[in-house]
Amino acid sequence: KQEVTQIPAALSVPEGENLVLNCSFTDSAIYNLQWFRQDPGKGLTSLLLIQSSQREQTSGRLNASLDKSSGRSTLYIAASQPGDSATYLCAVQVRETSGSRLTFGEGTQLTVNP
Amino acid sequence: GAGVSQSPSNKVTEKGKDVELRCDPISGHTALYWYRQSLGQGLEFLIYFQGNSAPDKSGLPSDRFSAERTGGSVSTLTIQRTQQEDSAVYLCASSRPIRGPRDYGYTFGSGTRLTVV
Repeated sequence: KQEVTQIPAALSVPEGENLVLNCSFTDSAIYNLQWFRQDPGKGLTSLLLIQSSQREQTSGRLNASLDKSSGRSTLYIAASQPGDSATYLCAVQVRETSGSRLTFGEGTQLTVNP
Repeated sequence: GAGVSQSPSNKVTEKGKDVELRCDPISGHTALYWYRQSLGQGLEFLIYFQGNSAPDKSGLPSDRFSAERTGGSVSTLTIQRTQQEDSAVYLCASSRPIRGPRDYGYTFGSGTRLTVV
């Protein structure tokens, strides 16, 4: 059974710092890995999607890497801003006999202080 | 539509009543998923629809939960005889047709916050 773990569970940093969020998964037979952002009381916003054949994806100040063989992904946020404060979720997509689903980590709650 | 639309955004119901939650996926997205997020917990898979295939209902927590998808588009999640432990945010997501290893990412709706009192 696929399990996804995110470290740390919570992180508080001053504005302007670069930071790294970690995600690990137990079964390397994934199709893709996706990072989401969730603001309080809101749904999920997709940030980056990395296919299993890729090693990284970049969008603006965000960079996500994937090491499938070791079961790890990192989300790097450069020059953090207070508006980055949210919960960041990592999810892997695996294929099962009846279809496909995402398995989520518990998330990292990020607070960026002005 | 431009995004995944869910209604209602908030629902307060009395214990024992039935509720229906609606999801309108992105046009052309044949895969549709329901997840549940309880307070302080991660996302829990409920059910998955892919085209005309039989849905994967393996995540439904009890027989009080059911879901339908009409015409390959709109989906309704029904909870019968609601209990307080059903209180959660119910999230719907859709994705493009799955074509083997190069699966596409999900787009989530804003969710329905269900409170059972």
